[in-house]
Amino acid sequence: GAGVSQSPSNKVTEKGKDVELRCDPISGHTALYWYRQSLGQGLEFLIYFQGNSAPDKSGLPSDRFSAERTGGSVSTLTIQRTQQEDSAVYLCASRSDRATGELFFGEGSRLTVL
Amino acid sequence: KQEVTQIPAALSVPEGENLVLNCSFTDSAIYNLQWFRQDPGKGLTSLLLIQSSQREQTSGRLNASLDKSSGRSTLYIAASQPGDSATYLCAVKGSGGSNYKLTFGKGTLLTVNP
Repeated sequence: GAGVSQSPSNKVTEKGKDVELRCDPISGHTALYWYRQSLGQGLEFLIYFQGNSAPDKSGLPSDRFSAERTGGSVSTLTIQRTQQEDSAVYLCASRSDRATGELFFGEGSRLTVL
Repeated sequence: KQEVTQIPAALSVPEGENLVLNCSFTDSAIYNLQWFRQDPGKGLTSLLLIQSSQREQTSGRLNASLDKSSGRSTLYIAASQPGDSATYLCAVKGSGGSNYKLTFGKGTLLTVNP
């Protein structure tokens, strides 16, 4: 695709429910990132995928959060048993393997946990 | 741990004014620095990417400079327009072991008044 695509753009859920957020990176980009942006806060690194290497999951805030990337392309971020503090915008970004390392972001998925 | 600070947090200027946004970082061992723009409710749009070996990058009315040794970058916007109103974020990519991670500042909210 022309850019990074994320879905859903908005998700409202009840506390305790599971949610899945999807990211479709730019075609051919080998690196994929998930960041979280909470109101009034900076962007918080969650997880990084690079090709077939083991992902860096060091930013995931709890074991309720998990992510996978199938076939080196589409990624899904799953949040189990959602809590109100999970409410935020979840941003996905991809990058080619070139030395310039410029990141391209999607429009984000806004999650609201009631 | 890398920390990125952006000053000011908010800035309001009249249309046509030239302005400077500041970004500072604590660890000068960076691979590159990227400036982004974020409109309300939207994702991040890449504006300029400066590699650690470069001093500045220009795109249209935007000029970004980098002084790695002092841990500073500036984004200069010439002849500002109301359409420039947005939040501007800088992010640094480390050159150490986790050199794929970007650390973001909290941004400068720019308002250009007609």
